[in-house]
Amino acid sequence: GAVVSQHPSRVICKSGTSVKIECRSLDFQATTMFWYRQFPKQSLMLMATSNEGSKATYEQGVEKDKFLINHASLTLSTLTVTSAHPEDSSFYICSANPWGPISREQFFGPGTRLTVL
Amino acid sequence: KNQVEQSPQSLIILEGKNCTLQCNYTVSPFSNLRWYKQDTGRGPVSLTIMTFSENTKSNGRYTATLDADTKQSSLHITASQLSDSASYICVVSASGGGADGLTFGKGTHLIIQP
Repeated sequence: GAVVSQHPSRVICKSGTSVKIECRSLDFQATTMFWYRQFPKQSLMLMATSNEGSKATYEQGVEKDKFLINHASLTLSTLTVTSAHPEDSSFYICSANPWGPISREQFFGPGTRLTVL
Repeated sequence: KNQVEQSPQSLIILEGKNCTLQCNYTVSPFSNLRWYKQDTGRGPVSLTIMTFSENTKSNGRYTATLDADTKQSSLHITASQLSDSASYICVVSASGGGADGLTFGKGTHLIIQP
């Protein structure tokens, strides 16, 4: 149980375009999901907390207008990278759990590799 | 500032051998420590979660230890297999223990050679 999926797994886009990444909890409902970014050989960096039915909470230094988050249902959160640039190329990972944001356990999605040309 | 330092940065061992990965942290207040395995191009998968009162926890061939006094943890892999090749990430949780209080290490990149 507690499976988190992401789509797409890989995306290549031109500079200036927008890209949407989906994060789904397949067998549970998640009021809160988390979005991370990971550069090669670096730690996962928390970007934002996605809250179902309300605005996302962004970490310091993360532009909310560039990284749009929509948590429209209890099983789906989307991250849209707007006007993507080559420096946005990274590995984006989401996580969630069935027990709420204070749970000790987090289940991560398989990640989405974004390459901006 | 909360930090998690892992060593070594990378490690190459022969199949069948054992190895130990280290994690030192300066996270306060401490809630729990987690070890994840991350295959290349994939999301992290949980191996163990340890709270303050737990010294050792095993998951198959993986055994994690925690010394909350010295703020050190280790992950021991026994009888390594080719499928163990991955990055192993130490993650320490502060405050209430939720995902927004996590500090991630950079990971140890482990390569198992036949």
